[in-house]
Amino acid sequence: NAGVTQTPKFQVLKTGQSMTLQCAQDMNHNSMYWYRQDPGMGLRLIYYSASEGTTDKGEVPNGYNVSRLNKREFSLRLESAAPSQTSVYFCASSPATTKGTDTQYFGPGTRLTVL
Amino acid sequence: GNSVTQMEGPVTLSEEAFLTINCTYTATGYPSLFWYVQYPGEGLQLLLKATKADDKGSNKGFEATYRKETTSFHLEKGSVQVSDSAVYFCAPPSRTGNNRKLIWGLGTSLAVNP
Repeated sequence: NAGVTQTPKFQVLKTGQSMTLQCAQDMNHNSMYWYRQDPGMGLRLIYYSASEGTTDKGEVPNGYNVSRLNKREFSLRLESAAPSQTSVYFCASSPATTKGTDTQYFGPGTRLTVL
Repeated sequence: GNSVTQMEGPVTLSEEAFLTINCTYTATGYPSLFWYVQYPGEGLQLLLKATKADDKGSNKGFEATYRKETTSFHLEKGSVQVSDSAVYFCAPPSRTGNNRKLIWGLGTSLAVNP
């Protein structure tokens, strides 16, 4: 049981390049999330997927797109990278039961630098 | 909108000192409250949670009590260790329809010196 996995772990891009961050979970969770973490800004939600087939914008969606490929996988795409997107990106998943609020399980993160 | 206010860091303590990290939130009706911890170079992981008012969550010597009357969920530990050095996040949930997204505090960095 690997939990939440993310690839790559590190990436350096030049301004204007594109890339896709991959995320997969093997816990049969319904909801998945993409966050970015910046010094002094805490954790900010980029996009989330409440269930397979649905995606919604979070707090900072501009410059990003997502795809919920299936129940396991949720990818984040940067179409034209900008230095402001230099950050650590975390994927998370949660069971999303109807009662209460679920614990989120995080991947190890992708450290992205845009030059 | 809903928000969470968490004590600013960094906090530096000596080993075996008492730790309190304050967390207060706005809005009502939260079904559960959470504290997460992030060790250096890792993702966040759940430290503890409380599922109803006056409930106490505990784990690894850490405790936090869900105080509905003061809208607080302060984290405490009686005797910290060097291995507790990490960033701690308070996260009460924010309801959006049927989706329950967590709203995150900015995190409090803790450094414990031997």
